[in-house]
This record gives sequence, C-alpha cells and structure tokens, in this order.
Amino acid sequence: GDSVTQMEGPVTLSEEAFLTINCTYTATGYPSLFWYVQYPGEGLQLLLKATKADDKGSNKGFEATYRKETTSFHLEKGSVQVSDSAVYFCALSKPGNNNDMRFGAGTRLTVKP
Amino acid sequence: DVKVTQSSRYLVKRTGEKVFLECVQDMDHENMFWYRQDPGLGLRLIYFSYDVKMKEKGDIPEGYSVSREKKERFSLILESASTNQTSMYLCASSLLRPPYEQYFGPGTRLTVT
Repeated sequence: GDSVTQMEGPVTLSEEAFLTINCTYTATGYPSLFWYVQYPGEGLQLLLKATKADDKGSNKGFEATYRKETTSFHLEKGSVQVSDSAVYFCALSKPGNNNDMRFGAGTRLTVKP
Repeated sequence: DVKVTQSSRYLVKRTGEKVFLECVQDMDHENMFWYRQDPGLGLRLIYFSYDVKMKEKGDIPEGYSVSREKKERFSLILESASTNQTSMYLCASSLLRPPYEQYFGPGTRLTVT
C-alpha cells in the first residue's frame, strides 16, 4: 500500500545551521505531497505542499521539491531558528482516495541557540 | 484562513464515563476526520466523514463512535472510556477535491483515570 518514510529523529542543530529532513514515498499513480509541522502541545499545521512532479513547495523559508524519479520530498531550510523546534511530518494523498492521507512517523527537530 | 476548533484542550475523565469530543470547522469542508496520536505510533485514523450523517471506519474504530449532524460539526464519542484511550485526539477537515490537504484543530489531550 501507499506509505511515507521519513528520517528518524531526533535531529539537533545549532541556530543558523542548514536543515534537511528526508522523506521518501511509495505510491502508485500521482500523489500530492505535504509537509506538516507540529509545535509542542498543538495540532498539525500545513507547512507546504506539492501536487505534481518537479513542483517546489515553499513557506517560511522551508522548501521541498517533488522528485518523482527518486520518489522523494525532502524538507530543507537554509538557516534554522530556535523557533523552528517542532515535529515535522511528511504526508501524501491521492486522487480518488480523499479519505486516506498517509503520514510519516514524524521527525523531532530541536534547534539550540 | 481555515479554522478548525475543538471543544477542549485538556480533559480528564474517569473509567467508564461517556466522553464527547467536538470539532467545528468554518470552511465548508466536506471531509472531516478524527485521529489519535500516541508516542511511537504516529497518527492513526479513527473515523472520517465525507458528508452529513455519513461515516466510515478508519484504522482503529474500536471503542469509538462518531456523529455528524451538521456539515461543520463532527463529534467523537467514547461510549465507556478506558485508560488505554488516554491520548491526544486531533480533528481535521478537507475539501472533497484534490489535493485533499487536511487542516487540523489544536488537539484535545484526554486523560482517563
């Protein structure tokens, strides 16, 4: 079945470091891909999305490019801040399957001053 | 902005009590979802609904029921709460068309003692 695999955490970085969180997917057809962020004690917030191959989603300095050839959607940020400390989830959905969003296990990021 | 609200942020109930968790969305979304989130287990879908009075079981429906009498409101019911239902409960909503991005509420942390 369709699934998402993301790198295990936790990830600890110093402020202003470069961030990459890897995400790969397994799906037939043409899924849409998402990154969600969850701050402590909160629900998930949509961070960015991409709906077709080679699309780049971006928001708040975060970027991810939908790579069909490598079935990947890695999250990157050039310079992280302490306020980026959160859990990040990669997810996919597919046309005709509106109830089934598949989430990765989440990657906890801690940014130290 | 999409807004999904949940009736309580924190709830403490006793074993055997009937528990109602309510979710309201203000964006006229057709789909609504209930998840539970537990450490190490990620997000697990309990129930979803794609229309008023319609419901479908997710991955872990046992011990739960739902009600959707109005389009904007989706309730999760624990008929007889048990300690293993202590968890974070997340409500989400989405449109019935691609890419089906889901918008989440802030979550309800339920403790059953």
